[in-house]
Amino acid sequence: GAVVSQHPSWVICKSGTSVKIECRSLDFQATTMFWYRQFPKQSLMLMATSNEGSKATYEQGVEKDKFLINHASLTLSTLTVTSAHPEDSSFYICSAPMGGGSDTQYFGPGTRLTVL
Amino acid sequence: QKEVEQDPGPLSVPEGAIVSLNCTYSNSAFQYFMWYRQYSRKGPELLMYTYSSGNKEDGRFTAQVDKSSKYISLFIRDSQPSDSATYLCAMSASGANSKLTFGKGITLSVRP
Repeated sequence: GAVVSQHPSWVICKSGTSVKIECRSLDFQATTMFWYRQFPKQSLMLMATSNEGSKATYEQGVEKDKFLINHASLTLSTLTVTSAHPEDSSFYICSAPMGGGSDTQYFGPGTRLTVL
Repeated sequence: QKEVEQDPGPLSVPEGAIVSLNCTYSNSAFQYFMWYRQYSRKGPELLMYTYSSGNKEDGRFTAQVDKSSKYISLFIRDSQPSDSATYLCAMSASGANSKLTFGKGITLSVRP
């Protein structure tokens, strides 16, 4: 079964509204989670690293005020797309390393965001 | 030049064929190399993981890493229609559980 869940799996919103996406690690704690964005027929591009108890680290070119990340607990990270616009329409995927010496990180099933 | 380049697709092969997927990279700091499989509208799932140079085999899948050439490959033997998916190479300098740099992905279709 899935070890990382995302909610919602898809969302359609109007331009100018904000959308929150949740990423949860199931049965393990994740002090770090990663948020990726994937446009159609493109690869995953890392947006930011979410750190439990501290500020997220954003990749170059990603607006921190537009993509708010909160790592509220050891099993939950949220990505809020503020004032969404059609160009923000994409597939958002989170991942969580298992930690504890494991080399494995698990990806969530993704969230399809469509901004009208 | 992108950090990771992956052969463009799509790729269509008959069932039973041997499939070879390749990526090249420019960042010599990469030491951890992974292949992920992604089905449409789903998150990637880890197929193979290799540290540094060498080969690794798991069932019908073999991963090869040649750090001197900055070249990695994934071979699929006796390909099956269920192997039809997008395959992404990914790399990291810090570990397989760190942030990853992905290739663009190649879509494979295995015809029955």
